[in-house]
Amino acid sequence: AQSVAQPEDQVNVAEGNPLTVKCTYSVSGNPYLFWYVQYPNRGLQFLLKYITGDNLVKGSYGFEAEFNKSQTSFHLKKPSALVSDSALYFCAVRLQEGGYGGSQGNLIFGKGTKLSVKP
Amino acid sequence: DGGITQSPKYLFRKEGQNVTLSCEQNLNHDAMYWYRQDPGQGLRLIYYSQIVNDFQKGDIAEGYSVSREKKESFPLTVTSAQKNPTAFYLCASSIGGAHTGELFFGEGSRLTVL
Repeated sequence: AQSVAQPEDQVNVAEGNPLTVKCTYSVSGNPYLFWYVQYPNRGLQFLLKYITGDNLVKGSYGFEAEFNKSQTSFHLKKPSALVSDSALYFCAVRLQEGGYGGSQGNLIFGKGTKLSVKP
Repeated sequence: DGGITQSPKYLFRKEGQNVTLSCEQNLNHDAMYWYRQDPGQGLRLIYYSQIVNDFQKGDIAEGYSVSREKKESFPLTVTSAQKNPTAFYLCASSIGGAHTGELFFGEGSRLTVL
């Protein structure tokens, strides 16, 4: 079965410092990987995705993520954190071989990591 | 502007009542989804629909029902059979079956059972 783990419930970072939000996954084939961000009482917004190719993916708002197949990880990173980055971050995975339709075609979300950036 | 509109944003329900949450999209997306979000549990899939007049159960469909009579609309009914309905509900859509494309989310509806 597919699964996603975000091992940290909360990450605290000082403004201007680099940040990392961790994500590991477990799938039986090749994954599509996604990061989303959620601000309080709002819907989720797409940040970036890994489909194929370069392992370093760049996304919105200066975020990037590195796909590491051997470690089955897809950690989210940003070189310099902003207070406005404080939010809830979700990692999600989907099988490439899931096909159109069926439960395998749907995203599996992690439980989320709360990022807190202090001035 | 294109997007997904959920209504109402806040809803209160007495035990034993059915309530319907609205979700409308003007993105011309084929696929639509309903997720439930509880603190510390991430998002769990309730129902999804790949095309009009067709929908499938997700991981936690019990106590919920949906319809997909129009491409733009995917309403969710929380029935009295749902034992713990208090939650934040998110509707989403995607081009096709979210193959390589991302999901687009509405702003959510918060349901509270009194």
